[in-house]
Amino acid sequence: KNEVEQSPQNLTAQEGEFITINCSYSVGISALHWLQQHPGGGIVSLFMLSSGKKKHGRLIATINIQEKHSSLHITASHPRDSAVYICAVRRPSGSRLTFGEGTQLTVNP
Amino acid sequence: NAGVTQTPKFQVLKTGQSMTLQCAQDMNHEYMSWYRQDPGMGLRLIHYSVGAGITDQGEVPNGYNVSRSTTEDFPLRLLSAAPSQTSVYFCASSYWQGQETQYFGPGTRLLVL
Repeated sequence: KNEVEQSPQNLTAQEGEFITINCSYSVGISALHWLQQHPGGGIVSLFMLSSGKKKHGRLIATINIQEKHSSLHITASHPRDSAVYICAVRRPSGSRLTFGEGTQLTVNP
Repeated sequence: NAGVTQTPKFQVLKTGQSMTLQCAQDMNHEYMSWYRQDPGMGLRLIHYSVGAGITDQGEVPNGYNVSRSTTEDFPLRLLSAAPSQTSVYFCASSYWQGQETQYFGPGTRLLVL
């Protein structure tokens, strides 16, 4: 079993819908990252969380340390949000990130 | 700033050939790392460096060498390419290892025949 599991693997939505992507992990962590990979392949950091919630524009990330679970929400989704969203965790030792396989999001107009 | 740059963007190699993937950053970041991305798997760390002259192995280091002679550059060397090294390679950097924002290069797509 992977240390980091994301669901769903694929998600198709209509423009304007509220989207949730989930990330579960099985190890103790010091931080969790959400990243976005554009259709052209470029990867961008979105958030780093160690507790609670963060918001940036239409993106909201939450984490529940006790349940070992994080969610990424997109409000009022838009076709330009179409991308692969990747969850990654950092162990307390801090030497590396462990990545989930990603969630492919497609938002149709 | 150019950010993190990688060259080449695409490369085809024959089994047994050697090559170097270049990575450079102009943000004076201490931490640099190399990842490979394969279908059905998450990004996996190959090697990383916490500063000039210091490198360490990641999750999948076999078949790859690195060096960090300057803060700016972190090349990845394949000494004898194998088909299993067909992948997309990403270089990333940040000021320090646990920084919130990791800056990724555009990737190098490598095909080993």
